[in-house]
Amino acid sequence: DQQVKQNSPSLSVQEGRISILNCDYTNSMFDYFLWYKKYPAEGPTFLISISSIKDKNEDGRFTVFLNKSAKHLSLHIVPSQPGDSAVYFCAASAQGTYKYIFGTGTRLKVLA
Amino acid sequence: KAGVTQTPRYLIKTRGQQVTLSCSPISGHRSVSWYQQTPGQGLQFLFEYFSETQRNKGNFPGRFSGRQFSNSRSEMNVSTLELGDSALYLCASSPMTGFAGELFFGEGSRLTVL
Repeated sequence: DQQVKQNSPSLSVQEGRISILNCDYTNSMFDYFLWYKKYPAEGPTFLISISSIKDKNEDGRFTVFLNKSAKHLSLHIVPSQPGDSAVYFCAASAQGTYKYIFGTGTRLKVLA
Repeated sequence: KAGVTQTPRYLIKTRGQQVTLSCSPISGHRSVSWYQQTPGQGLQFLFEYFSETQRNKGNFPGRFSGRQFSNSRSEMNVSTLELGDSALYLCASSPMTGFAGELFFGEGSRLTVL
């Protein structure tokens, strides 16, 4: 049972436009969410996080939105740059479980 | 500050062998987690340790085991290797006692089982 789903395996966006990556979850106990970026042959790099007490968190070009009623979060990248081309993972954790559940990732390609 | 260090970076084993992977967390981080990444499966949680205690374990067979030492360094072991164990094994550390927060990942150990 995949508790965290990224239903779009890939996404292509023009440079300068907005990239929107989506993530859905099923477990209402999740209370902390992370987004990571991963290049081939490297470990995941942390991008941004959000706690369930918030519905938005912003850090530079990256904004994460959380819709608890829909059990949905999204990562917005504005403006998109070619260097943003990578695989993006969302992850969720429930207090006291000491683990994150990761989605299967979305491969973003930013076209110059 | 040095990042999370994993050794070895690459290794090739044959079926039936066993393997030990090592992880040195960021200095001061006491929580260490292990994840397995295979194509199309994302990152699958293996286990998490804090102060030498395993606080959670993922849904993997008993062939997968781990431990953490008093200096927070961690090892994971896979015995009786199978072809399906070929994967990137990622270690992550966290400074958070209560766990919620950012995980800092190493570059991973790529295991190929022939």
